[in-house]
Amino acid sequence: AQSVAQPEDQVNVAEGNPLTVKCTYSVSGNPYLFWYVQYPNRGLQFLLKYITGDNLVKGSYGFEAEFNKSQTSFHLKKPSALVSDSALYFCAVRPLSGGYNKLIFGAGTRLAVHP
Amino acid sequence: DADVTQTPRNRITKTGKRIMLECSQTKGHDRMYWYRQDPGLGLRLIYYSFDVKDINKGEISDGYSVSRQAQAKFSLSLESAIPNQTALYFCATSATSGYQETQYFGPGTRLLVL
Repeated sequence: AQSVAQPEDQVNVAEGNPLTVKCTYSVSGNPYLFWYVQYPNRGLQFLLKYITGDNLVKGSYGFEAEFNKSQTSFHLKKPSALVSDSALYFCAVRPLSGGYNKLIFGAGTRLAVHP
Repeated sequence: DADVTQTPRNRITKTGKRIMLECSQTKGHDRMYWYRQDPGLGLRLIYYSFDVKDINKGEISDGYSVSRQAQAKFSLSLESAIPNQTALYFCATSATSGYQETQYFGPGTRLLVL
């Protein structure tokens, strides 16, 4: 079965430190990969996506993600965390089969950045 | 994203009642989607529509119906609400350019079924 795993329910980081939010996937072929962020009482906002090319993708708000095909991972990273980065982060995968633009979401990881 | 709006933002209803959640978009996208979010489960697709004449079931469509009144409007109905439909509901849109297209989400509707 196709799935996306975000192994950490919550990640705690001190402000100014680097952060990583992990994502692995189990999908056949070479899917497209996305990260979304959800702030309290807000909808999901698109952060970045990997389609093809350079394995390091840069996105909004200083975030980047590294695609690793052999490990089927797409971890979200930021060199220096801000308190305002505290939110719920979702990894999503779009398989290139199935006939429609299906997005498979992970369960989400809550990022807490402490002053 | 202000380009995708949802009404109402919050709704409390009773078991057995019929309710409708509405979604409008000004992005000019052809494709629209309804998801529900439950804690620890991420988002799951309820229905999707590729144009006004094309409506398809997602992975959890039982108990729900939809209507695509126009390119810009996509409504989700619960014909007879039940407590396990308590969730956060999101509408999303995307353009018709293929698999790499990003989906853009509305602010969500928080539904409580008593």
